Amino acid sequence: NAGVTQTPKFQVLKTGQSMTLQCAQDMNHNSMYWYRQDPGMGLRLIYYSASEGTTDKGEVPNGYNVSRLNKREFSLRLESAAPSQTSVYFCASWYRGHRNTIYFGEGSWLTVV
Amino acid sequence: AQSVTQLGSHVSVSEGALVLLRCNYSSSVPPYLFWYVQYPNQGLQLLLKYTTGATLVKGINGFEAEFKKSETSFHLTKPSAHMSDAAEYFCAVSDHFNKFYFGSGTKLNVKP
Repeated sequence: NAGVTQTPKFQVLKTGQSMTLQCAQDMNHNSMYWYRQDPGMGLRLIYYSASEGTTDKGEVPNGYNVSRLNKREFSLRLESAAPSQTSVYFCASWYRGHRNTIYFGEGSWLTVV
Repeated sequence: AQSVTQLGSHVSVSEGALVLLRCNYSSSVPPYLFWYVQYPNQGLQLLLKYTTGATLVKGINGFEAEFKKSETSFHLTKPSAHMSDAAEYFCAVSDHFNKFYFGSGTKLNVKP
C-alpha cells in the first residue's frame, strides 16, 4: 500500500518552461489536494478536487492548472514557470470517514531559475 | 472561516524538558483539529487528531494535545523531549468537508 505517490521528487526548470507534477493515491479517497510549502508560510492550498471530475481553486491558484484524471490521479501543471514558483509541492488525499485524516505525499522540490 | 495561528516559529528546549507548542484556531463550525510533524526533506505525518469525544488526545511518540473550546486552543505537549523530536510541527483545522487549513509551523530544536 503506497499511499500518496508524487513525481518527480526534484526538478529544476528555466523561467518560462512548463511541467506537470503527477500525483496518485491508492486509498480510494475522493478528495485530493495540491499544496505548496514556503519557509515561514506553512502550507498553502493551490487547488483541490472534492471528487472525480471536479476541481476548485485554493488560496494561491495563479500560475497553476490541475487535472483530476480519475479517482486515483490529480496532476498539477505549471504552464510558464516563474522563480516565484520555486517551492516544495505536496499532494494529499482525504477520506471523510472514521479516519478523517489527510495523507501527504513525500513532496516535490521545484526550483525555477 | 477557519484559520490557525501557531505562536512561535522556533522553539528550543533541552533534552528531557517539557515540550509545549501552541496552536489557536478560529472556526465557524465545531472543529476537527490535527497536529502533523515534518522531518527534514520529508512529507507530513499525522501525530494526533481531535474530531469528537475526549478532549485530551494522545498521539504517537508520546505527544498529546488538549482541545479547549473556551480558549480556542489545541496545544501540543510532550513531558520529556528527545533529540529525535527535532522537526517542524504543523497545526491544522478542518471545516469537516474538503478543506484543511494549516498554521505556519513551529520548528522544534532539542538541545543536548
